[in-house]
Amino acid sequence: KNEVEQSPQNLTAQEGEFITINCSYSVGISALHWLQQHPGGGIVSLFMLSSGKKKHGRLIATINIQEKHSSLHITASHPRDSAVYICAVNEGSNYKLTFGKGTLLTVNP
Amino acid sequence: SAVISQKPSRDICQRGTSLTIQCQVDSQVTMMFWYRQQPGQSLTLIATANQGSEATYESGFVIDKFPISRPNLTFSTLTVSNMSPEDSSIYLCSVDQYTDTQYFGPGTRLTVL
Repeated sequence: KNEVEQSPQNLTAQEGEFITINCSYSVGISALHWLQQHPGGGIVSLFMLSSGKKKHGRLIATINIQEKHSSLHITASHPRDSAVYICAVNEGSNYKLTFGKGTLLTVNP
Repeated sequence: SAVISQKPSRDICQRGTSLTIQCQVDSQVTMMFWYRQQPGQSLTLIATANQGSEATYESGFVIDKFPISRPNLTFSTLTVSNMSPEDSSIYLCSVDQYTDTQYFGPGTRLTVL
């Protein structure tokens, strides 16, 4: 069973700071997902990665398959970025996701 | 992308009662998933619901406790039966489209007293 670890568990930043959230996993995967969960509970899919790097607005996600590691970066952070960020992985052709416990990000104005 | 709605968005229920959660998708999808997120925990898959067949349950979840219906390609329900305070969680449905991206609903926040 894949073990998905995220760090840090909690992160507090000032508006404008550059944010990095890390995710590592124990078993080879076919895809890694970054998800955003707001206080109401709903989840938004941010990225799906199988290699390299993706960018969407102020968000950048990278993955290193050899090192079994991914990072989510937020540039010029804003209070509206405050949420729980969750890393999840697929193994092989399996549609099932294994989730990390999430990183609670708070961005103060 | 798929747009998913869930009803109710939240509910407070008494011990021993049952609650049915609805999940509606704006497009036809083959696979729908039901997840539970207990307080402070990561998401856990309850079951996979495919149209025209019985749901497939994950270890630790049984049909008697979490019956699921999937009457068509855009709709599913999850019932939480004979509830106890341990069932207090956020319940989320999600769908898997051709892009292999899973889209999640807004969640149903359940509190059992």
